[in-house]
Amino acid sequence: GENVEQHPSTLSVQEGDSAVIKCTYSDSASNYFPWYKQELGKGPQLIIDIRSNVGEKKDQRIAVTLNKTAKHFSLHITETQPEDSAVYFCAAKARGSTLGRLYFGRGTQLTVWP
Amino acid sequence: DAGVIQSPRHEVTEMGQEVTLRCKPISGHDYLFWYRQTMMRGLELLIYFNNNVPIDDSGMPEDRFSAKMPNASFSTLKIQPSEPRDSAVYFCASSLTGKNEQYFGPGTRLTVT
Repeated sequence: GENVEQHPSTLSVQEGDSAVIKCTYSDSASNYFPWYKQELGKGPQLIIDIRSNVGEKKDQRIAVTLNKTAKHFSLHITETQPEDSAVYFCAAKARGSTLGRLYFGRGTQLTVWP
Repeated sequence: DAGVIQSPRHEVTEMGQEVTLRCKPISGHDYLFWYRQTMMRGLELLIYFNNNVPIDDSGMPEDRFSAKMPNASFSTLKIQPSEPRDSAVYFCASSLTGKNEQYFGPGTRLTVT
């Protein structure tokens, strides 16, 4: 099955700086790549996603890029704020036999210092 | 929409006891997923259902774990007997055929002493 690797496991940045989290995947059939944010004591929430027919997608301060050839995708957060502090998970999904299953990375604990 | 609903939010039980976790997916969603989250292993998929039928239970750790989905609006995850190593946060998520997004519930924090 699919294997998703996520780096770094922890990331600390100063408020206002940018944060970048990177993921790689193994299955070239994967065509959907969501990012989830998990705040303390809550379930993961989808914040942005990208499909394999698109190279980049932006939503205000958040952007995701995808390199299908290299099989990696990244989350970029600009002008970070303390409320961005959370655990971020990347995931990948392949069409076909997996019938809707997502494969998750191990997560990145992002801390934004005021 | 109320989102995915899980109960209880917290469960503390003694080793050997039976534990039942409950989930109500978002109305109309036909996929339901059970995950377990621990510091050591991250977010693990235990089992998932499509139209109330289990599709893949390869993530269920042992026979002590069982899951059912008797109807489209309710699922249970049962652990019998429970062990301290089962302590984790258990999440339920749901999604809709043709839509990629999965929506997670708030989780049940299980502590087995």
